[in-house]
Amino acid sequence: QVQLQESGPGLVKPSQTLSLTCTVSGGSISSGGSYWSWIRQLPGKGLEWIGYIRYTGITYYNPSLESRVAISKDTSKNQFSLKLSSVTAADTALYYCARVIDGVAAAGTWGQGTLVTVSS
Amino acid sequence: HSALTQPPSASGSPGQSVTISCSGTSSDVGNYNYVSWYQQHPGKAPKLIIYEVSKRPSGVPDRFSGSKSGNTASLTVSGLQAADEADYYCCSYAGGNTLVFGGGTELTVL
Repeated sequence: QVQLQESGPGLVKPSQTLSLTCTVSGGSISSGGSYWSWIRQLPGKGLEWIGYIRYTGITYYNPSLESRVAISKDTSKNQFSLKLSSVTAADTALYYCARVIDGVAAAGTWGQGTLVTVSS
Repeated sequence: HSALTQPPSASGSPGQSVTISCSGTSSDVGNYNYVSWYQQHPGKAPKLIIYEVSKRPSGVPDRFSGSKSGNTASLTVSGLQAADEADYYCCSYAGGNTLVFGGGTELTVL
């Protein structure tokens, strides 16, 4: 069974770049059938899809964040990563990595989430 | 790419049924049968309970059901139980390999 675990700094300064990594176990990010995704939950608010990366390396992003987001993968470590640049306090959120199932567009597996606070 | 619209809250008594709506547009909910629903208990990650409008993953009770009409999708929870008290989120495919979520509905079991 696929499991995901987020890791990265819990505190980022304004204008800097937020960097998170998701380690996948129980499955390979190199195999088809999955879109490896980042989703965030703003404090007291709903979920926001950030983007995902396919096993081919092709990425897709939320248009509202596209200018600041980059998702990449490291096949040798079975990890994928998120970089969000020029962060502000509005980017303070609980960040989840998730596996979106190809063909049904549903996030079937989620990490536990990691809180990132943007503050000086 | 606006968020889908959900009522902020819903409630029902144990044993009753409650329906949560998810309103989108002809660019997302109305154009694709890729609506999913997630249940989130406090301090926990969301859990997939409905996909492709009305399908349930293995292990999800059949008390949870989904449907869609036009630009609006719905989640119905029948036979309400205390354990169903949680936040519920809808999500839709929005074309161009993008997804959009709803704002979430807090379900209270009275």
